[in-house]
Amino acid sequence: QVQLKETGPGLVQPTQTLSITCTVSGFSLTSYYMQWVRQTPGKGLEWMGFIRSGGSTEYNSEFKSRLSISRDTSKNQVFLKMNSLKTEDTGVYYCARAAGFAYWGQGTLVTVSS
Amino acid sequence: DVVMTQTPPSLSVAIGQSVSISCKSSQSLVYSDGKTYLHWLLQSPGRSPKRLIYQVSNLGSGVPDRFSGTGSQKDFTLKISRVEAEDLGVYYCAQTTHFPPTFGSGTKLEIK
Repeated sequence: QVQLKETGPGLVQPTQTLSITCTVSGFSLTSYYMQWVRQTPGKGLEWMGFIRSGGSTEYNSEFKSRLSISRDTSKNQVFLKMNSLKTEDTGVYYCARAAGFAYWGQGTLVTVSS
Repeated sequence: DVVMTQTPPSLSVAIGQSVSISCKSSQSLVYSDGKTYLHWLLQSPGRSPKRLIYQVSNLGSGVPDRFSGTGSQKDFTLKISRVEAEDLGVYYCAQTTHFPPTFGSGTKLEIK
């Protein structure tokens, strides 16, 4: 069955870079778009960006300058990297299979604090 | 970005009652293919969101038919008939018609 699981660092210092991995099973990354959504106390659910089945990416302009999404299809993994973190970036980060938000990972809590 | 406005922000209902949640968008959600990409999600306490309904009125896999969605253009409604205890949580509407996808601020359902 379809499964998604995020793994992240938990705690990140301000100005540092966040790296999260989403490992999927039950389907191929070359057949589906994968997206990242975060949930913060300040802004609720925010769509961050996606990587298409062909490997190209699109980002929410809110994050565009500091966000990067990539993947390793051989490992069934999708990666999120976001730099210049601020305390407002504290929240839960989810990977989800597009389209229509049918499948979500469990989420990984990221705390930005010194 | 398309703004999704949900009302009410919270509600409390007794088991067995019915309830409706409204979601209004700042732009029409009809896509160029004629379809409307408005979805409803439920986030149960401590869990990730789960899709209940997609494209206005289509039930997600395994979702009981107590849930139903209606609406068009900019005005949408989620109805829960015969509320059960497991229905508590925060309900979100989300649109994927326009880029970027956006979410409502949520409606918290509590059980009396």
